[in-house]
Amino acid sequence: DTGVSQDPRHKITKRGQNVTFRCDPISEHNRLYWYRQTLGQGPEFLTYFQNEAQLEKSRLLSDRFSAERPKGSFSTLEIQRTEQGDSAMYLCASTRSGSGQELGGYTFGSGTRLTVV
Amino acid sequence: DQQVKQNSPSLSVQEGRISILNCDYTNSMFDYFLWYKKYPAEGPTFLISISSIKDKNEDGRFTVFLNKSAKHLSLHIVPSQPGDSAVYFCAASGFGDDKIIFGKGTRLHILP
Repeated sequence: DTGVSQDPRHKITKRGQNVTFRCDPISEHNRLYWYRQTLGQGPEFLTYFQNEAQLEKSRLLSDRFSAERPKGSFSTLEIQRTEQGDSAMYLCASTRSGSGQELGGYTFGSGTRLTVV
Repeated sequence: DQQVKQNSPSLSVQEGRISILNCDYTNSMFDYFLWYKKYPAEGPTFLISISSIKDKNEDGRFTVFLNKSAKHLSLHIVPSQPGDSAVYFCAASGFGDDKIIFGKGTRLHILP
């Protein structure tokens, strides 16, 4: 297993356009998280899935954001009508619940850097 | 509001000496604390953790200390090595919570 994969690594888009990011977690991990990191900040929680169920969403996740994990494997994060404030690194992480060390067992991907111009 | 605070944006330490990174938290419901390390262009990597029932956890060169009464934790790296140069994030989670709250990070520079 090559770890958590995120695609694309970089995305430049014009304000108002829609973008979609993909995350492929480690295959045996049933939990998948999305975080956002802006310059000078730590990662901020956006949402997470256990299998295909979206269990929690942060208030940071406005109506323009939607995340899916249709078959409990890969996940997508879509941002509609992008704004300059959406420019950030979007990080995906996965872990296996019931492992007893779920929180420390987060494996992060390398992230997708979004620039809205 | 920042529930996990890392008040030092950066720290420079001579190679071979001790690096001490500090972290404060405000949420008394936090019961599990972690440190993550991040290199440029990579995602954060888990380093070490501590449960609120302990006050110290050690793993090789890395030791985390927890002072619950002061709501403070620290990461000690001894001896510091060039490969330790990175951004270190302090993070925390509450009982029954399935997510981690991160601080802003401290950039550690190990000087030759």
